Order: sequence, then structure tokens, then C-alpha cells
Amino acid sequence: AQKVTQAQTEISVVEKEDVTLDCVYETRDTTYYLFWYKQPPSGELVFLIRRNSFDEQNEISGRYSWNFQKSTSSFNFTITASQVVDSAVYFCALSAVQGAQKLVFGQGTRLTINP
Amino acid sequence: NAGVMQNPRHLVRRRGQEARLRCSPMKGHSHVYWYRQLPEEGLKFMVYLQKENIIDESGMPKERFSAEFPKEGPSILRIQQVVRGDSAAYFCASSPDLVYGYTFGSGTRLTVV
Repeated sequence: AQKVTQAQTEISVVEKEDVTLDCVYETRDTTYYLFWYKQPPSGELVFLIRRNSFDEQNEISGRYSWNFQKSTSSFNFTITASQVVDSAVYFCALSAVQGAQKLVFGQGTRLTINP
Repeated sequence: NAGVMQNPRHLVRRRGQEARLRCSPMKGHSHVYWYRQLPEEGLKFMVYLQKENIIDESGMPKERFSAEFPKEGPSILRIQQVVRGDSAAYFCASSPDLVYGYTFGSGTRLTVV
């Protein structure tokens, strides 16, 4: 069975601080996809990244970066120089590569950036 | 190319009524997923459909819930005889093929009173 754990329920930081959101997953599949989604207060789900398990290179996109560690089954997300607009709930998710590719989500981390 | 369109955005139903949630996938997308976000429970997969076929409904409650994706028109998630516990946000996502992943709509917030 697949499982995603986001142990941090809520995080609150002051603007311009760096913040890391943790994600740990469990799967028996040898290949799989990992995702991060952002859910702002308006409620929609915004896709941030999809990473295939055979690609362990870290990824950077502007102020966002992702650290994939297959050895520890973790896929952590860091926001550098946080801004108020980053305030949202962030979800980590996992899917198989084959078959229906249905997403298994973590419980989410509510991030609040204070001015 | 418009995104995945869900309507209505907000839906209020009294207990016992039927709720019909619509999802128009992006143009050219033949794969549709439905997910439910219950308060305090996170996002859960409900059903995966391709045109005219239900492929995986392992996350659908056994009773009162049904989904369809006809050859023409939007995908419909139907909830019969709604109860307060059905109050949630329901998200639809679509994909052209599974190589590219999928895009979510903005969701329908169902409130049962």
C-alpha cells in the first residue's frame, strides 16, 4: 500500500525566512511519481512539480527547490525568502507510474507567512 | 485552451436531495479523475474514468455515489440522498494521456444543510 506522511501540520514563519516542508512516503513500487501541490486560500489545487523516482536530481524553480532522497523515502520542499503570497496548504502526493496513476496525498501542511 | 472547468463552484443541498457535479475536461483530454477533500481528512481518490468507461472506482462509496463520462458532454459525479457527511470539496482532474500527468479544476464545494 502507498502512504504519504507530512508530519508538519502547521508552520508559521516571518516573511523572508526560508522554510522546508517535509514529506516521507511509502511504496512497494520500484518506479513511481512524487508531486507537490499548493492550495491557496481560494481553494484550487495548483500543481508545483512531478518527479519520477529514477530521477534523483534536486530541482530548483525560482524560490522553490525540492530535495528527493530515495534512500530515506523523502521528497522535501523548500521555499527560500518566503513571501506572504506563499501562505497556503501544501500537499505532497505519490502515484504509481503504471495503471490508473491515482494520487495518494499526504495530510497537508498549512504554511503561514507573516509580514 | 481553457482549463478543467467544474460547476457549480458552490452547491448547497438539503439532506435527502440529489447533488450533480459537473466537470468539463480540457480539450483533447479523455481521462478524468474525481477526488474528494473532506474536512480533516485530506484529499482522497474516488474514481477514474475514460470516455464512456469507469476504469477504477475503488475510492467511491458503495452507495449513493455514481460517476459517468459520456461520449459527449461533461463528466458527472452524482450523489443521491445527500447527508451532512457528504459536505466536502470535490475536485476533478483531466489528462490527455497518463504520460503527462493531470490538471485539476477549481473544485465544487458541496454543503449539505
